[in-house]
Amino acid sequence: GDSVIQMQGQVTLSENDFLFINCTYSTTGYPTLFWYVQYSGEGPQLLLQVTTANNKGSSRGFEATYDKGTTSFHLQKTSVQEIDSAVYYCAMSDMSNYNVLYFGSGTKLTVEP
Amino acid sequence: GPKVLQIPSHQIIDMGQMVTLNCDPVSNHLYFYWYKQILGQQMEFLVNFYNGKVMEKSKLFKDQFSVERPDGSYFTLKIQPTALEDSAVYFCASSLAGGISNERLFFGHGTKLSVL
Repeated sequence: GDSVIQMQGQVTLSENDFLFINCTYSTTGYPTLFWYVQYSGEGPQLLLQVTTANNKGSSRGFEATYDKGTTSFHLQKTSVQEIDSAVYYCAMSDMSNYNVLYFGSGTKLTVEP
Repeated sequence: GPKVLQIPSHQIIDMGQMVTLNCDPVSNHLYFYWYKQILGQQMEFLVNFYNGKVMEKSKLFKDQFSVERPDGSYFTLKIQPTALEDSAVYFCASSLAGGISNERLFFGHGTKLSVL
């Protein structure tokens, strides 16, 4: 069945460090891949999405791409700031059902000043 | 931006009792969802709802669960009776359209349900 695996549970960086978070996905359909961000005490909100393999999505300095060959997708940011501290979830949906999102387990990013 | 409101933010209940979680979706949205997140684990899809009907549900959506949106008011998740394993944060979401894989979902802040 459809699934998403996100291995990095916690990442701690200093300001201006480079961020890279990776997920792998499994589906028999045609996926759209997303990154959601959840700040403390709030619900998840869409950060960006990637509809087509090898294309980039970008938002607020974050970029994401996915590789159909390795069924992986990643989120990166060149220079993180303290305000980027949050939990980042990769997620996947496909055309075969009504917007069912499959979430990864989340990566808690802590950016230290 | 558009907001999804969830009421209450925290609910404590004794095992076996009934609980109703309320969600006020974005006003012009047509598709509604519930997700469940047990502490430290990933968010998992429970159910989605459109035009008064459940469209999809997962294995987590037990017989004790039901959803409705009477007269376009709150979208509710009812659990009757509750069990200890129902303790989790429940997130409501809504979207303008459905059946489109890249449609954006808007999530509420979640209701933390504690079953004692």
